[in-house]
Amino acid sequence: QVQLVESGGGLVKPGGSLRLSCAASGLTFSDYYMNWIRQAPGKGLEWISCISGNSGYTKYADSVEGRFTISRDNAKNSLYLQMNSLRVEDTAVYYCARGKFYSDYWGQGILVTVSS
Amino acid sequence: EIVMTQSPATLSVSPGERATLSCRASESISTNLAWHQQKPGQAPRLLIYDASTRATGIPARFSGSGSETEFTLTISSLQSEDFALYYCQEYNDWPPRTFGQGTKIEIK
Repeated sequence: QVQLVESGGGLVKPGGSLRLSCAASGLTFSDYYMNWIRQAPGKGLEWISCISGNSGYTKYADSVEGRFTISRDNAKNSLYLQMNSLRVEDTAVYYCARGKFYSDYWGQGILVTVSS
Repeated sequence: EIVMTQSPATLSVSPGERATLSCRASESISTNLAWHQQKPGQAPRLLIYDASTRATGIPARFSGSGSETEFTLTISSLQSEDFALYYCQEYNDWPPRTFGQGTKIEIK
């Protein structure tokens, strides 16, 4: 079955950087668009980035454009999110999720806390 | 950017009763709408896509309807495991993909 497992979260100071990873299994990874979606504590869901199967297309929400970079390594069945210039308001659980339009599989999420 | 508005914010329902959740889009999105369920401490789970198609493994008590700007998720007879948060999400104006703010179904 499809499994998505995020890693790399933790506590970071404002202005710092962090790289999230998502390991995928049970699917032909390169066939699918992948996304990062986040959820601030007690808040709703916010889509932040997507990448096409061949990495030829990427898109970002305005809130992270220029600070975050999505990438993937199909040989390793892995998705990444490089997060730079982190802000307190980036504190959230970050989910990787499969699908171009709607996400039919989600990881369990990883917590990123930005605090001094 | 399309704005998705869900109502009510909280719905109090007794087990076995019917629950009706609403989602309104700020402009027409055809039937490009999904519903997700989220339980505390868990990732969201896809329930419905294309406004009315149940995702794999979703029980028949969940049904979706609507088009253009008005959408409804109906749970015909609430089970204990259905008390959760529900989000609608549009994918007509993609990207971004916009979520509603959520409706919480709580036990009455």
